[in-house]
Parts: sequence; structure tokens; C-alpha cells
Amino acid sequence: EAGVVQSPRYKIIEKKQPVAFWCNPISGHNTLYWYRQNLGQGPELLIRYENEEAVDDSQLPKDRFSAERLKGVDSTLKIQPAELGDSAVYLCASSSIRGRETQYFGPGTRLLVL
Amino acid sequence: AQKITQTQPGMFVQEKEAVTLDCTYDTSDPSYGLFWYKQPSSGEMIFLIYQGSYDQQNATEGRYSLNFQKARKSANLVISASQLGDSAMYFCAMRDKRGYQKVTFGTGTKLQVIP
Repeated sequence: EAGVVQSPRYKIIEKKQPVAFWCNPISGHNTLYWYRQNLGQGPELLIRYENEEAVDDSQLPKDRFSAERLKGVDSTLKIQPAELGDSAVYLCASSSIRGRETQYFGPGTRLLVL
Repeated sequence: AQKITQTQPGMFVQEKEAVTLDCTYDTSDPSYGLFWYKQPSSGEMIFLIYQGSYDQQNATEGRYSLNFQKARKSANLVISASQLGDSAMYFCAMRDKRGYQKVTFGTGTKLQVIP
């Protein structure tokens, strides 16, 4: 069974530029999560989807961050415009049964904003 | 509010020895789940072990076991027979209903296995 797929693995951009990350969850997993992990810290939830519905986006900085999961499968997280403080690892995870099961993570996207 | 505390920023262990990584949590919800993840330098979070608050026995998965002390609100990870490949960051995490199933992670412990 394929795991959570993320792309790109690395991204370097200049501040004020837009950037997008893509995630394909494990097949059959209805719940999808986007996390941000700053250096030396644990992951922090940005947004959680159940199918195509965003059920928890309280931690998403909505002035510059947006996300979508149009068909309830893969998802895209966008930052526009990026700021220096957005440099982090962006992790995608998925789980089954409305998030009550274990979350499985993708390899993450390492973003560096110059 | 959820809270996960990992008080050990770094730990060393000799190869083939056992090591305990500490984790304490705080929740007022009687129903919750506790997780441990391993994050090697490659960056991927690898699920290791899960303990439910109503589970009667401590969880075990191969060389990993969870020392669950409910009254003390602790969920320490025990790794037996450490291997060089165990060197990584280890994160404790919790999910509870009052957090709307949101998983909160601790700050992690960096484990280094010495040959």
C-alpha cells in the first residue's frame, strides 16, 4: 500500500513569492491534515479535512494561506505571499474514520524563504 | 486545553541497552489517545505506538512499549535493545474529544544511540 505522497520535497523561494504544496493521502483515508513544523519543534496543525470539508482551520493564517481538497482526495496548500517566517517543513498526514485512527505522515516539504 | 510535555531535549543510550523517553500530558477528557512518532533526519514522521485511555494493558509493538500510568498522566516510551537506526527525534502526541480530535504534539526528544 502506498503511503502519503507529497511534492515537492524541497522548495526555495524569495519572500513575497507564492508557493504551493501538494499531498495525496493513503487510499481510502477520508481525513487529511496539513501541519507546519518549525525547526526544533513538534508539528502544529494548520487545517484538517474530512472528505472535502475543512472541519478545523482555526490555526491557518487565512490572510496568506489557503487550502483546498476539491474531490475529497488530494489536497493543495498555498502561501501567497510567502514571508521569511514561513520557512518550515510542511507535513501532510491522513487517517481513516473521521480522524479517530492513527495519522500517517508524508515525507514533508521543506520550504526556505529567502 | 491540551498539553503535552517532553522534558528531555536530548538523550544518549548505548547500543543494545534500553531507554525510556518521558512524556506527560494534561487533559480533562476521560477519552483520549496517546501516540509516539519517530522522525529521522530525513523528516518523515513514523508512527510507532498507540495507547487508548481505556486500554487495560500497556501497548507494545516489537521493541517499543508504552509505560502508561494514567493516574500520573504519563505515557513514557520504552525502546528495548537500542539500535543505531533508532537515532532520531521522538514525539509524543495526544488526541482527545474536547480538542475535536485534534492531535497535539510535544516538543520532542532527540535520541542518539552510541555504538
